[in-house]
Formats: sequence, structure tokens, C-alpha cells
Amino acid sequence: EDKVVQSPLSLVVHEGDTVTLNCSYEVTNFRSLLWYKQEKKAPTFLFMLTSSGIEKKSGRLSSILDKKELFSILNITATQTGDSAVYLCAPQGGSEKLVFGKGTKLTVNP
Amino acid sequence: KAGVTQTPRYLIKTRGQQVTLSCSPISGHRSVSWYQQTPGQGLQFLFEYFSETQRNKGNFPGRFSGRQFSNSRSEMNVSTLELGDSALYLCASSRLPLLTEAFFGQGTRLTVV
Repeated sequence: EDKVVQSPLSLVVHEGDTVTLNCSYEVTNFRSLLWYKQEKKAPTFLFMLTSSGIEKKSGRLSSILDKKELFSILNITATQTGDSAVYLCAPQGGSEKLVFGKGTKLTVNP
Repeated sequence: KAGVTQTPRYLIKTRGQQVTLSCSPISGHRSVSWYQQTPGQGLQFLFEYFSETQRNKGNFPGRFSGRQFSNSRSEMNVSTLELGDSALYLCASSRLPLLTEAFFGQGTRLTVV
């Protein structure tokens, strides 16, 4: 059965801190891994990763995938209060469906 | 470019009734997936449609069904509603089922009383 574990489950930091969110997965016939940010309702797409070792970057956010060790990390540098959200990772395997982790709830305090 | 549109945004239904939710994908996207989100279970996959065909189904009872039309719009139906069906229902669209970015709509908040 496909499995996704995100850690930590929740994290409280101060503005300006750097955070690293973890996602380990087990899916059959892995194809890609997607990261989302969910604030109130709709998860917002952040990254899609398909290849190991290639960092994807968008502003202060970056993410990398390790297909050998079956994990991905999402880094956020110089955090801001607007980064407060639940971050979800979702690997996609041969079944085509996205398998979501429970998410990491990030709280950034001023 | 318009995003994924879900209607209605909010719905209150009584146990035993049925409900139909609608999802209009981003223009050019032919794959639509549905998810149920509850505080305890997180995002659970319901089903996926591509070119009017259901390609994948999650572990939900037969009361949950869906379809996709030729314009890629999709509907999901829940019959004989139960209190436990109260949740946020999200749909996501992508150009293809695999290896393409998936974008979510705002969701439909269903409350069953």
C-alpha cells in the first residue's frame, strides 16, 4: 500500500528562521512528487519533482528529491508570517493518483 | 487564465439526501481528480477521470460516484448522505493524468445534518 510520512507534524518558528520540511514515501512505480501549500481551502501548487538531486527553486522556497532514499525536503529561508500554512507532499505512482501525507503545519510568529 | 472552479462553495444537506458537486477544470486540462478532506483523515483520493473515462477509484463506498463530460467538466454525486460525509471536497485538474502539475479548486464544503 502506498505510504507517505511527513515530519514534523507541526513547527513553530520566528520570522527570519529557515525551516526544512520532510517527506518520505513508498509508492509503487514512482513517477513524481508534488508539494502544495494549503492556507484555508485550496492547496496551492508549489513544485513538481521527478528527478533525483535537481533542486527546484521559487523565491525563498526550494525542494529536492532523493529517489534512492525515497524522500523529499522542502526548504523555506527567511520565513515570513505569510508562510504560515499546512505544507502537503504528494507522490504519484503508477496508479496515477496523488497520495497525500498528513501535512506539516507551519506557524511563523512575528 | 481561469483556475479550477467548483460549485457550489457551501452546501448543507440532511442525512439520506443526495448531492451533486461540480468541477470545471482549467481550459485545456483533460484530467480531473476528486478528493475528500477531513480533519482526521487528511486528503483522501476519491476518483480520477481522463477523457470521460474513470481511470482510478479510491476506497470509498459505492454511494460516491462521478462522471466527466466531453468538455472535461466533472461532477461527483453522493447518495444516501451520512453525517460522516461532512467534509471539504476538492477537485484538481491537470493536462494529463501523470507527470503534469495538478491545480486545485477552492472546494465545496458539505455539511450533513
